[in-house]
Amino acid sequence: DAKTTQPTSMDCAEGRAANLPCNHSTISGNEYVYWYRQIHSQGPQYIIHGLKNNETNEMASLIITEDRKSSTLILPHATLRDTAVYYCIVRRSGGSNYKLTFGKGTLLTVNP
Amino acid sequence: EAQVTQNPRYLITVTGKKLTVTCSQNMNHEYMSWYRQDPGLGLRQIYYSMNVEVTDKGDVPEGYKVSRKEKRNFPLILESPSPNQTSLYFCASSLGGRSAETQYFGPGTRLLVL
Repeated sequence: DAKTTQPTSMDCAEGRAANLPCNHSTISGNEYVYWYRQIHSQGPQYIIHGLKNNETNEMASLIITEDRKSSTLILPHATLRDTAVYYCIVRRSGGSNYKLTFGKGTLLTVNP
Repeated sequence: EAQVTQNPRYLITVTGKKLTVTCSQNMNHEYMSWYRQDPGLGLRQIYYSMNVEVTDKGDVPEGYKVSRKEKRNFPLILESPSPNQTSLYFCASSLGGRSAETQYFGPGTRLLVL
Protein backbone atom coordinates (compact mmCIF):
# COMPACT_ATOMS: atom_id res chain seq x y z
CA ASP A 1 0.00 0.00 0.00
CA ALA A 2 1.20 3.51 -0.82
CA LYS A 3 2.71 5.68 1.89
CA THR A 4 0.98 8.90 2.89
CA THR A 5 2.31 12.17 4.28
CA GLN A 6 0.19 14.50 6.38
CA PRO A 7 0.99 17.58 8.44
CA THR A 8 1.41 16.82 12.12
CA SER A 9 -1.11 19.38 13.27
CA MET A 10 -3.48 22.08 12.06
CA ASP A 11 -5.75 24.66 13.63
CA CYS A 12 -9.11 25.84 12.43
CA ALA A 13 -11.62 28.38 13.71
CA GLU A 14 -15.05 27.10 14.61
CA GLY A 15 -17.51 27.56 11.77
CA ARG A 16 -14.80 27.82 9.15
CA ALA A 17 -13.86 25.16 6.62
CA ALA A 18 -11.07 22.81 7.63
CA ASN A 19 -8.90 21.65 4.74
CA LEU A 20 -6.68 18.70 5.57
CA PRO A 21 -4.06 17.78 2.96
CA CYS A 22 -2.57 14.38 2.27
CA ASN A 23 0.26 13.51 -0.06
CA HIS A 24 0.33 10.04 -1.63
CA SER A 25 2.66 10.45 -4.58
CA THR A 26 3.29 6.69 -4.98
CA ILE A 27 -0.36 5.70 -5.19
CA SER A 28 -1.19 2.94 -7.65
CA GLY A 29 -4.06 2.91 -10.10
CA ASN A 30 -6.15 0.46 -8.07
CA GLU A 31 -5.62 2.12 -4.69
CA TYR A 32 -8.28 4.13 -2.96
CA VAL A 33 -7.87 7.08 -0.61
CA TYR A 34 -9.67 6.68 2.73
CA TRP A 35 -10.09 9.09 5.58
CA TYR A 36 -10.77 8.12 9.15
CA ARG A 37 -10.64 10.18 12.31
CA GLN A 38 -10.10 9.39 15.96
CA ILE A 39 -11.49 11.61 18.65
CA HIS A 40 -9.35 11.33 21.76
CA SER A 41 -8.90 7.60 22.55
CA GLN A 42 -12.24 6.67 20.97
CA GLY A 43 -12.50 4.12 18.19
CA PRO A 44 -11.56 5.42 14.73
CA GLN A 45 -14.49 6.61 12.66
CA TYR A 46 -14.82 6.25 8.90
CA ILE A 47 -15.34 9.56 7.10
CA ILE A 48 -15.11 9.12 3.35
CA HIS A 49 -13.21 7.40 0.58
CA GLY A 50 -12.61 7.81 -3.15
CA LEU A 51 -10.69 6.55 -6.15
CA LYS A 52 -10.48 9.33 -8.76
CA ASN A 53 -13.52 11.54 -8.55
CA ASN A 54 -14.29 14.00 -5.85
CA GLU A 55 -16.67 12.64 -3.25
CA THR A 56 -19.07 14.25 -0.80
CA ASN A 57 -21.16 12.87 2.01
CA GLU A 58 -22.88 14.27 5.06
CA MET A 59 -19.62 14.55 6.96
CA ALA A 60 -17.09 15.86 4.49
CA SER A 61 -15.83 16.29 0.94
CA LEU A 62 -12.83 14.60 -0.59
CA ILE A 63 -10.93 16.32 -3.37
CA ILE A 64 -8.42 14.16 -5.25
CA THR A 65 -6.04 15.81 -7.70
CA GLU A 66 -6.13 14.73 -11.31
CA ASP A 67 -2.79 12.91 -11.03
CA ARG A 68 -4.07 11.32 -7.77
CA LYS A 69 -0.83 12.16 -5.99
CA SER A 70 -2.53 14.20 -3.32
CA SER A 71 -5.93 14.80 -1.81
CA THR A 72 -7.71 17.16 0.55
CA LEU A 73 -10.37 16.37 3.10
CA ILE A 74 -12.73 19.28 3.62
CA LEU A 75 -14.93 19.72 6.68
CA PRO A 76 -17.15 22.56 5.46
CA HIS A 77 -18.15 24.04 8.81
CA ALA A 78 -15.86 22.78 11.55
CA THR A 79 -17.21 22.48 15.08
CA LEU A 80 -15.43 21.90 18.37
CA ARG A 81 -16.48 18.25 18.16
CA ASP A 82 -14.40 17.88 15.00
CA THR A 83 -11.21 18.19 17.04
CA ALA A 84 -9.53 14.85 16.39
CA VAL A 85 -6.64 13.08 14.69
CA TYR A 86 -7.42 12.62 11.00
CA TYR A 87 -5.86 9.72 9.14
CA CYS A 88 -5.38 9.51 5.40
CA ILE A 89 -5.00 5.89 4.31
CA VAL A 90 -4.26 4.54 0.86
CA ARG A 91 -4.94 0.91 0.03
CA ARG A 92 -6.38 -1.19 -2.73
CA SER A 93 -9.95 -2.32 -2.54
CA GLY A 94 -10.69 -5.86 -1.42
CA GLY A 95 -7.93 -8.35 -0.84
CA SER A 96 -7.58 -11.13 1.69
CA ASN A 97 -7.29 -8.81 4.67
CA TYR A 98 -8.98 -5.47 4.93
CA LYS A 99 -6.33 -4.18 7.28
CA LEU A 100 -6.11 -0.42 7.66
CA THR A 101 -2.58 0.95 8.10
CA PHE A 102 -2.83 4.06 10.22
CA GLY A 103 0.05 6.53 10.10
CA LYS A 104 0.53 9.38 12.53
CA GLY A 105 -2.28 11.47 11.06
CA THR A 106 -3.03 15.18 11.49
CA LEU A 107 -4.22 16.53 14.80
CA LEU A 108 -6.92 19.04 13.91
CA THR A 109 -7.76 21.46 16.69
CA VAL A 110 -10.91 23.51 16.19
CA ASN A 111 -10.79 26.68 18.25
CA PRO A 112 -13.78 28.71 19.49
CA GLU B 1 -28.46 1.12 16.33
CA ALA B 2 -25.61 -0.35 14.29
CA GLN B 3 -22.63 -0.74 16.55
CA VAL B 4 -19.59 -2.66 17.69
CA THR B 5 -19.44 -3.27 21.42
CA GLN B 6 -16.49 -4.28 23.53
CA ASN B 7 -16.34 -5.52 27.08
CA PRO B 8 -14.86 -4.69 29.43
CA ARG B 9 -14.01 -1.07 28.65
CA TYR B 10 -11.33 -0.92 31.33
CA LEU B 11 -9.41 -3.78 32.90
CA ILE B 12 -6.56 -4.00 35.37
CA THR B 13 -5.07 -7.46 35.79
CA VAL B 14 -1.89 -9.18 36.87
CA THR B 15 0.72 -11.02 34.86
CA GLY B 16 -0.32 -14.53 33.89
CA LYS B 17 -4.03 -14.29 34.69
CA LYS B 18 -5.98 -15.34 31.63
CA LEU B 19 -8.48 -12.83 30.32
CA THR B 20 -10.91 -12.41 27.45
CA VAL B 21 -12.03 -9.19 25.82
CA THR B 22 -15.31 -9.62 24.01
CA CYS B 23 -16.31 -7.96 20.76
CA SER B 24 -19.77 -8.11 19.27
CA GLN B 25 -21.34 -6.47 16.21
CA ASN B 26 -25.00 -6.31 15.24
CA MET B 27 -24.55 -5.52 11.53
CA ASN B 28 -24.16 -9.07 10.18
CA HIS B 29 -20.62 -8.19 9.13
CA GLU B 30 -18.40 -10.92 7.75
CA TYR B 31 -15.07 -9.27 8.52
CA MET B 32 -13.82 -8.57 12.03
CA SER B 33 -10.45 -7.50 13.30
CA TRP B 34 -8.51 -6.59 16.44
CA TYR B 35 -6.04 -3.72 16.74
CA ARG B 36 -3.92 -2.44 19.55
CA GLN B 37 -2.88 1.19 19.88
CA ASP B 38 0.27 2.29 21.64
CA PRO B 39 1.85 5.75 21.88
CA GLY B 40 4.26 6.35 19.04
CA LEU B 41 3.35 3.07 17.32
CA GLY B 42 -0.15 3.85 16.10
CA LEU B 43 -2.73 1.14 15.52
CA ARG B 44 -1.43 -2.31 14.70
CA GLN B 45 -3.52 -5.27 13.66
CA ILE B 46 -3.42 -8.31 15.93
CA TYR B 47 -5.77 -10.81 14.28
CA TYR B 48 -8.54 -10.74 11.75
CA SER B 49 -11.38 -12.95 10.60
CA MET B 50 -12.89 -13.05 7.14
CA ASN B 51 -15.87 -15.14 8.27
CA VAL B 52 -17.00 -17.73 10.79
CA GLU B 53 -14.21 -20.20 11.59
CA VAL B 54 -11.78 -18.25 9.35
CA THR B 55 -9.12 -16.36 11.28
CA ASP B 56 -5.58 -15.28 10.53
CA LYS B 57 -2.70 -13.42 12.11
CA GLY B 58 -2.17 -9.73 11.69
CA ASP B 59 1.06 -7.86 12.35
CA VAL B 60 1.42 -8.47 16.10
CA PRO B 61 -0.31 -11.76 17.00
CA GLU B 62 2.16 -13.01 19.63
CA GLY B 63 0.54 -13.60 23.00
CA TYR B 64 -3.01 -13.44 21.66
CA LYS B 65 -5.64 -15.91 20.51
CA VAL B 66 -8.98 -15.37 18.82
CA SER B 67 -11.97 -17.44 17.84
CA ARG B 68 -14.90 -16.87 15.53
CA LYS B 69 -17.56 -19.43 16.31
CA GLU B 70 -20.44 -17.19 15.34
CA LYS B 71 -20.69 -14.26 13.01
CA ARG B 72 -21.41 -11.55 15.54
CA ASN B 73 -18.68 -12.31 18.08
CA PHE B 74 -14.90 -12.15 17.89
CA PRO B 75 -13.31 -12.47 21.33
CA LEU B 76 -9.66 -11.67 21.99
CA ILE B 77 -7.98 -14.02 24.44
CA LEU B 78 -4.82 -13.34 26.40
CA GLU B 79 -3.88 -16.69 27.90
CA SER B 80 -0.98 -15.37 29.97
CA PRO B 81 -0.95 -11.57 29.88
CA SER B 82 2.33 -9.72 30.31
CA PRO B 83 3.03 -6.05 31.01
CA ASN B 84 3.96 -5.42 27.36
CA GLN B 85 0.34 -6.15 26.47
CA THR B 86 -0.76 -3.07 28.36
CA SER B 87 -2.48 -1.14 25.62
CA LEU B 88 -5.69 0.27 24.16
CA TYR B 89 -7.50 -2.38 22.13
CA PHE B 90 -10.02 -1.84 19.36
CA CYS B 91 -12.28 -4.27 17.59
CA ALA B 92 -13.48 -3.44 14.09
CA SER B 93 -15.91 -4.95 11.63
CA SER B 94 -17.06 -4.47 8.07
CA LEU B 95 -19.35 -6.04 5.54
CA GLY B 96 -16.42 -7.13 3.42
CA GLY B 97 -16.02 -7.17 -0.32
CA ARG B 98 -16.67 -3.84 -1.94
CA SER B 99 -17.87 -2.39 1.36
CA ALA B 100 -14.77 -3.40 3.28
CA GLU B 101 -13.46 0.13 3.40
CA THR B 102 -16.22 1.27 5.69
CA GLN B 103 -15.02 -0.26 8.91
CA TYR B 104 -16.78 0.27 12.20
CA PHE B 105 -14.70 0.39 15.34
CA GLY B 106 -15.69 -0.38 18.89
CA PRO B 107 -15.19 2.11 21.73
CA GLY B 108 -11.96 0.49 22.89
CA THR B 109 -10.75 -1.53 25.88
CA ARG B 110 -8.00 -0.07 28.01
CA LEU B 111 -5.94 -2.86 29.53
CA LEU B 112 -3.31 -2.53 32.24
CA VAL B 113 -1.24 -5.60 33.08
CA LEU B 114 0.72 -5.33 36.31
